[in-house]
Amino acid sequence: ETGVTQTPRHLVMGMTNKKSLKCEQHLGHNAMYWYKQSAKKPLELMFVYSLEERVENNSVPSRFSPECPNSSHLFLHLHTLQPEDSALYLCASSFTLGSNQPQHFGDGTRLSIL
Amino acid sequence: DQQVKQNSPSLSVQEGRISILNCDYTNSMFDYFLWYKKYPAEGPTFLISISSIKDKNEDGRFTVFLNKSAKHLSLHIVPSQPGDSAVYFCAARDSNYQLIWGAGTKLIIKP
Repeated sequence: ETGVTQTPRHLVMGMTNKKSLKCEQHLGHNAMYWYKQSAKKPLELMFVYSLEERVENNSVPSRFSPECPNSSHLFLHLHTLQPEDSALYLCASSFTLGSNQPQHFGDGTRLSIL
Repeated sequence: DQQVKQNSPSLSVQEGRISILNCDYTNSMFDYFLWYKKYPAEGPTFLISISSIKDKNEDGRFTVFLNKSAKHLSLHIVPSQPGDSAVYFCAARDSNYQLIWGAGTKLIIKP
């Protein structure tokens, strides 16, 4: 058990659809992250939240919209995505931003854009 | 340009022997380094870390070595076991506390 749960595990959507990815952690962590992993590429950090405030947005297109309603939940809202957005989306959490405690990851959502 | 590079996409090692996974970085301001392991259909799992003020950290079968002058990091697994077959990611923490990741090395342990 990872302590970080992501749903759904798989998602297929058309370019005009709107969907949301959900991440939940019960580790008592205060920082949460969204990463994108494309095939054979490094993980790319998309968004960082610390104490429910967004602290980083790494030039991510506006078709990706994060939401952090509380320290245990993180969402990634998707709309009008492109085929190149097909990837594995990973959520992670850590005790605090910048601590030496490692990030804990969920198992990801495999997203396919038709 | 990638700041963290894992130049070997894959590595095959006989069971019981030593596995050595390598990672190079370019940013001398990185202050903390981590290794993660990833099985298919699962998220990365933390394995071991090292602060930039140290040159070695050991945890059971896993040892991480840091050579700051060479900007080189390595993970040693000894003895290698079949369950060690996975993709291994190296990550480095920058001054904004963000982790910069390598592309991963797929380790295959042969019985």
